[in-house]
Amino acid sequence: AQTVTQSQPEMSVQEAETVTLSCTYDTSENNYYLFWYKQPPSRQMILVIRQEAYKQQNATENRFSVNFQKAAKSFSLKISDSQLGDTAMYFCAFMKSTIQGAQKLVFGQGTRLTINP
Amino acid sequence: DTEVTQTPKHLVMGMTNKKSLKCEQHMGHRAMYWYKQKAKKPPELMFVYSYEKLSINESVPSRFSPECPNSSLLNLHLHALQPEDSALYLCASSQGPIGTAPYGYTFGSGTRLTVV
Repeated sequence: AQTVTQSQPEMSVQEAETVTLSCTYDTSENNYYLFWYKQPPSRQMILVIRQEAYKQQNATENRFSVNFQKAAKSFSLKISDSQLGDTAMYFCAFMKSTIQGAQKLVFGQGTRLTINP
Repeated sequence: DTEVTQTPKHLVMGMTNKKSLKCEQHMGHRAMYWYKQKAKKPPELMFVYSYEKLSINESVPSRFSPECPNSSLLNLHLHALQPEDSALYLCASSQGPIGTAPYGYTFGSGTRLTVV
C-alpha cells in the first residue's frame, strides 16, 4: 500500500518570505502522480500543483514549485513571495490507477501553514 | 462549468433521521468519489464510482449508502448515523478511466454534517 508522510504538522512564516513544505512517500509503483492540495478555512480543496513521476522536470505554477526527487521518494513544495491568502492546510497526495480504473488519491496528514503580516 | 457542487452546505440530523447529501458535476468526469474528513485530519476515502458503477467501498458501514443515478450526479444516503459520524463530507470527480492522464480531483466545498 502507498503511504504519504508530511513531517511538519505546522509552519509559520512572514509575508513575502519563501517557505518549503516537505513530503515523502512510499510506493513500489514506477508510474504515478503526485499532487499538492490547499485547503483554506473555507474548506474547499484546491489543486496547487501536479507532478508526473515519469517527468524529470520539476513542475512550476507561478509562485509554487516542487522539488521532485524520485529516487529519494521526496516531493517538497516551495512557495515563493508568500501571501496572506496562502494561509491554509496543505496536503501532499499520491495517485495510482487501481485495477477498477478509478484513481484513488492517498493523502498525507497535512501541514498547517500560517502566513503572518 | 469547472465546479463540483455539493448540497446542502450544512446539515444537522438526529440519530433516527434519514437524509441525503447531493453532489453534481458537469465536466464530463466519469469517476466520482465520496470522502469523509474529520477536523485537522486528511480526507478518508469512502466510495468510488467509475462509469456510474460502484468500484470501491472502503468498508464503510451500511448506514452510509451511495447512489449514482447518472454520470453527473452522486448521492450519499444517510440513515441511523452516530455522533462520531459528524464530519465534513467531500465529493470529488476526476476524468478516469485507465489510459487517461489523471489531472487530480476536482473537489466540492463539502457538507458539514453534525449528528445529534
